[in-house]
Amino acid sequence: GAGVSQSPSNKVTEKGKDVELRCDPISGHTALYWYRQRLGQGLEFLIYFQGNSAPDKSGLPSDRFSAERTGESVSTLTIQRTQQEDSAVYLCASSLWTDQPQHFGDGTRLSIL
Amino acid sequence: TQLLEQSPQFLSIQEGENLTVYCNSSSVFSSLQWYRQEPGEGPVLLVTVVTGGEVKKLKRLTFQFGDARKDSSLHITAAQPGDTGLYLCAGPFGNEKLTFGTGTRLTIIP
Repeated sequence: GAGVSQSPSNKVTEKGKDVELRCDPISGHTALYWYRQRLGQGLEFLIYFQGNSAPDKSGLPSDRFSAERTGESVSTLTIQRTQQEDSAVYLCASSLWTDQPQHFGDGTRLSIL
Repeated sequence: TQLLEQSPQFLSIQEGENLTVYCNSSSVFSSLQWYRQEPGEGPVLLVTVVTGGEVKKLKRLTFQFGDARKDSSLHITAAQPGDTGLYLCAGPFGNEKLTFGTGTRLTIIP
């Protein structure tokens, strides 16, 4: 497809389980970003990749959160031992370079029971 | 930490009214972008402004970049229910990644 694709679109899981969220960026975009958006709030930066490396992990809220990117393409965001406060929409974006406009997916809505 | 403060945080007005929202920083942007996010979707780029003092119009939306490139405004004329959403400004500081503003949540009442 032409845009950023995220899967699943919705995920409901029990507290304590691990979840894996996937992002397929626009082909050729070197930069990829993950954000968290709580209900009614703005964007909370989590991590970004330039190529396959992550120069800035400063936004990851705890060591339960990790992300990787392979082949300068797909990225996965993993949350281990989920907590109820992890409930949010997780947005992925990509851009040609880091100072260029970002193209967003529609997010994964994560609900922790 | 460089911050982009947006005001107001929330705005609710009647259809047909005009409104202005603001994006301010103490630092200089090399460029600035405005995005709109509708419910259930990701933010979508509306415009990029680059030059200090630049004004860009997109139908009923007018974007202005401050002369010193530290602030920007978005003016909407004759607001419509379809304008409802979260408006975000974003700018790169130097060659860094974009920093997003705190957002203005706009509701247009039919």
